[in-house]
Amino acid sequence: DAGVTQSPTHLIKTRGQQVTLRCSPKSGHDTVSWYQQALGQGPQFIFQYYEEEERQRGNFPDRFSGHQFPNYSSELNVNALLLGDSALYLCASSFIGTGAEAFFGQGTRLTVV
Amino acid sequence: KQEVTQIPAALSVPEGENLVLNCSFTDSAIYNLQWFRQDPGKGLTSLLLIQSSQREQTSGRLNASLDKSSGRSTLYIAASQPGDSATYLCASKTDSWGKLQFGAGTQVVVTP
Repeated sequence: DAGVTQSPTHLIKTRGQQVTLRCSPKSGHDTVSWYQQALGQGPQFIFQYYEEEERQRGNFPDRFSGHQFPNYSSELNVNALLLGDSALYLCASSFIGTGAEAFFGQGTRLTVV
Repeated sequence: KQEVTQIPAALSVPEGENLVLNCSFTDSAIYNLQWFRQDPGKGLTSLLLIQSSQREQTSGRLNASLDKSSGRSTLYIAASQPGDSATYLCASKTDSWGKLQFGAGTQVVVTP
């Protein structure tokens, strides 16, 4: 079992550009959530996907959007990048049937210049 | 709104000493609480999950307790080792769908 995998691991983008981050959940998991972690802070919830629909959303602007595919993998898209979007983006998967343990990927480090 | 606090923000102990890490939460109606380890620039590794009906969970040298009435969870790491140096985060869910609400973490350094 490969666990939760994210790609790419690092990314440098210019302000105003758009970026897409990808996540494959742990085998058997059906729910994917995305988090943003700024340096020295705890992760902040962006949104959660289940059955290809956004189920919950945190306090993030519409520039942040996502998608879940039939194989449960997910993408996070950020438009019109700002310098403040520089952070570690983490994907977590879980199985909603038990609402149980969340497993995280290694993250994508996004730097906006 | 659930708020999670971890104090202290940083901790340094000599090798062999027991570690005690604290986590406080404001909403006692939690669904579960999870402890994570994070190495610099890396993702989160799940250490222990405590369901709301449980009082504690143990895995090897790690033991986590949960006291919903006081809004506290404590992670104990016995006989610390330099390899335990990392940031430890706690996070709670208020329902099965719920997002994880994280504390800011406690950065631990274990000196040889």
